[in-house]
Amino acid sequence: EVQLVESGGGLVQPGRSLKLSCLASGFTFSNYGMNWIRQAPGKGLEWVASISSSSSYIYYADTVKGRFTISRDNAKNTLYLQMTSLRSEDTALYYCARRGDNYHYFDYWGQGVMVTVSS
Amino acid sequence: AIVLNQSPSSIIASQGEKVTITCRASSSISSNYLHWYQQKPGAFPKLVIYSTSYRASGVPSRFSGSGSGTSYSFTISRVEAEDVATYYCQQGSSNPDTFGAGTKLELK
Repeated sequence: EVQLVESGGGLVQPGRSLKLSCLASGFTFSNYGMNWIRQAPGKGLEWVASISSSSSYIYYADTVKGRFTISRDNAKNTLYLQMTSLRSEDTALYYCARRGDNYHYFDYWGQGVMVTVSS
Repeated sequence: AIVLNQSPSSIIASQGEKVTITCRASSSISSNYLHWYQQKPGAFPKLVIYSTSYRASGVPSRFSGSGSGTSYSFTISRVEAEDVATYYCQQGSSNPDTFGAGTKLELK
C-alpha cells in the first residue's frame, strides 16, 4: 500500500525557517517524481514545487521561488521542503504528492502537515 | 501560467441527479494533461479522473470526464450522498501545474 506521511509542520514566526519531510513507503520511491502542494485554510489547491525521480529537474511556483527548496533522499525514501523567509501567506496545509506518470497527475497524496506563520 | 476557470463554484443537487462541472483553460491543453480530483471535507484530495476521461483505480463508473483543447467537463451521472465534496480540475501540460478554484457539491 502506498503511503506518504508528512512531518515537520508547526507554528513559526514570520521570517523564520521550517523543514518539512515526507516519508514514502509501499512503492519504489526512486522511480517517481514528487511534489509539494499546499492549501491555505478554506482555500483551493496550489502547487508549490516538484522534483524528478533523480533530482535532475526541479521546479517552483513563483510564490515560493528563492525561498523554498525541494529535495529528496532516495536512500531514505524521503522528500523534503526547506522553507525560509516564511510569510503569513505561506500558512497552509502542505501535502506531499506522487507524480503518477508523464502526464503529470498526482495519484497519491499524504494527509498533509499544517504550517502556521504568525507572530 | 495556464488559468483554469471552473464553473459553477458550487452545486446543490438531489441524490440521483446528474451534475456537470466545467473547466475552461486560458490556453489549449493536451487532453492527456487534464485531471480531476475529489476532496471530501477534512480529507486529502483523491485522483478521480486522469487524462480527461480515464477513471482512477476504484472510482465508480458514475464518474466520467470529457473534453479537448480549452474546454473540459466532469460529470457524475447519478449523485450519491458519498459524493459530497469539492472537485478540482488540474493541468500538467505546462509549468507551473495549476488547479481550478474548485466546485463544492452539496446535497439538497
